[in-house]
Amino acid sequence: SQQGEEDPQALSIQEGENATMNCSYKTSINNLQWYRQNSGRGLVHLILIRSNEREKHSGRLRVTLDTSKKSSSLLITASRAADTASYFCATATGTASKLTFGTGTRLQVTL
Amino acid sequence: DVKVTQSSRYLVKRTGEKVFLECVQDMDHENMFWYRQDPGLGLRLIYFSYDVKMKEKGDIPEGYSVSREKKERFSLILESASTNQTSMYLCASSFYGGGEKLFFGSGTQLSVL
Repeated sequence: SQQGEEDPQALSIQEGENATMNCSYKTSINNLQWYRQNSGRGLVHLILIRSNEREKHSGRLRVTLDTSKKSSSLLITASRAADTASYFCATATGTASKLTFGTGTRLQVTL
Repeated sequence: DVKVTQSSRYLVKRTGEKVFLECVQDMDHENMFWYRQDPGLGLRLIYFSYDVKMKEKGDIPEGYSVSREKKERFSLILESASTNQTSMYLCASSFYGGGEKLFFGSGTQLSVL
């Protein structure tokens, strides 16, 4: 079963707008990560937030983590056409040295 | 710049064939992983390895085996390919462990006919 579930499954916005994606998970985590995947390619790591952190920034990316609600959000500000991709959250739990990925949000940024 | 290289971008095989997918990383990472990605199912872990000659089953190891004879190379083997193994296969590596940042290869799209 999936640990992380992204919402929405697909999102279409215009360039310059902000994009927000959400991830919910089921069990306590050590950290939560966000990855980007351009069509048919490998995944690229964007940001990692640990369970004792609430917010993290990296350039135009802002990630929040609410462990009480078991959820995270990824905000991309001032989106660009090049941000068109699928975005995945992944969680690391317990002593398991592996990540469990969600099914992703497909973001389309139009000019 | 870090690099994880998968030997083939696209591969077409026939049912029953033995298939080798190769992955090489140049970052001296201890940990390497094989995932498969299917629409609507996300990424699922097949096998991983913490060290040379070490391997651990992931969530869906059935029908697969792996080999890690050298630190930089991790091979995924489909002993007898079946049509339900048609998928995108992604190799990844990490320095600190599987729960930390992963570096991915570009993927191999395998079609089994």
